[in-house]
Formats: sequence, C-alpha cells, structure tokens
Amino acid sequence: DVKVTQSSRYLVKRTGEKVFLECVQDMDHENMFWYRQDPGLGLRLIYFSYDVKMKEKGDIPEGYSVSREKKERFSLILESASTNQTSMYLCASTLRDRPVLGYTFGSGTRLTVV
Amino acid sequence: GEDVEQSLFLSVREGDSSVINCTYTDSSSTYLYWYKQEPGAGLQLLTYIFSNMDMKQDQRLTVLLNKKDKHLSLRIADTQTGDSAIYFCAEFLTGGFKTIFGAGTRLFVKA
Repeated sequence: DVKVTQSSRYLVKRTGEKVFLECVQDMDHENMFWYRQDPGLGLRLIYFSYDVKMKEKGDIPEGYSVSREKKERFSLILESASTNQTSMYLCASTLRDRPVLGYTFGSGTRLTVV
Repeated sequence: GEDVEQSLFLSVREGDSSVINCTYTDSSSTYLYWYKQEPGAGLQLLTYIFSNMDMKQDQRLTVLLNKKDKHLSLRIADTQTGDSAIYFCAEFLTGGFKTIFGAGTRLFVKA
C-alpha cells in the first residue's frame, strides 16, 4: 500500500524552539507539499518542492523553511516556534505529470506550541 | 485570484442524499477533485472530474460540473453514518503545480 508517512502524530513544543516535521513517501513522487490546516480556513500551502533540492514558497511561508535532500523526504522547519503556529500540518505528494491521481496525504502532525 | 468556496456544515439523516456544493474562480482548472477527511486522518481522494465533463458517477457518488457557473457538486446517495467527515473541493491549476483547496464542508449524518 502506497504511503506518505509523517514522523509524529502529536507534538508539543515551547515558544522559540526549533521544530522539525518529517515526511517520507514511498511512491517515487516528484512533487511534495506542506500544508497547514486550521478550522474554517481549510488547507493553506506553506512550501512545495518539485525535485530534490528544489523548493518554492506557497501562500504562507513566513516563519517556515523546508529541506529536500532526498526524493522521498521533505522536511518542514519552524525556525523559532510561536503560538500562532499551533496547527495541524499535512504533508502530501503527487506525480508531476499525473494530476488525475490527485495528492496522497499523510495522516498529519498536530503541533501545539506553548 | 484563485479561490474555492464551500459551505462549512451540512447535516442529513441516514438514508437521505447529501449534496455538497463548491464554487471556484479559476477558469483554467483542468481537474476538480473531492477529498474526504475522517477524524484524525489526512485527506483521501474520493473522486475527480476532468473539466470537459459534465457529470461523473462512481457507485454512490455523483459529481456534477457546471463550467459556465464554475460550480461543482458532490452527491452522496443513501448517506450512511460512515460518511460523516469533512469533504474538500479542490481544483488543479493548469501550468502550475498548485492545487487549491476549499475550506471543507463538515457532513453530519444523523441516525
């Protein structure tokens, strides 16, 4: 069964900490994405990557960075966590040339910053 | 700009049909999708429709696309309690890697 795996389901971090959220996919997908999901706001795109070492800003990149050193792994980094970054974070991946297949999502990481 | 809008809540009785509506703004969309999110889980692709289609049926699911009005709907026949979830409408924009998601419609199914 093809899969996108996020390393943690729940995380609690302190304000100012550096936080790493890891995402791994086993489908050889070129494109990977990080979204945050907040009630009433839906999914907002933070960053995406269409190849190793490539990254593009999404709609809300401030306060975040990403790393894609290997095709299967896409990491989201909160440089200095703040309480307004408390949210559900979703990783997704897709094949570049097959939009009909849609995205495959991980189960999400619920991050609480205290 | 790019935007996908859908109502936030829908409540139906078990056995009735559910209709979830969505409007989008970008006429260059090639694919439109419906995703389902169950509690504590990520989104799962339910179905999609290509922009040159008007309708697509898949078992209990019927997708209708009105391209002139930029309106997409998802009908779930014989709604069951297991259909309780959040349903997201999404559009894939031609020429980019982006898929734009709506805010999601939370479907409540009453027994």
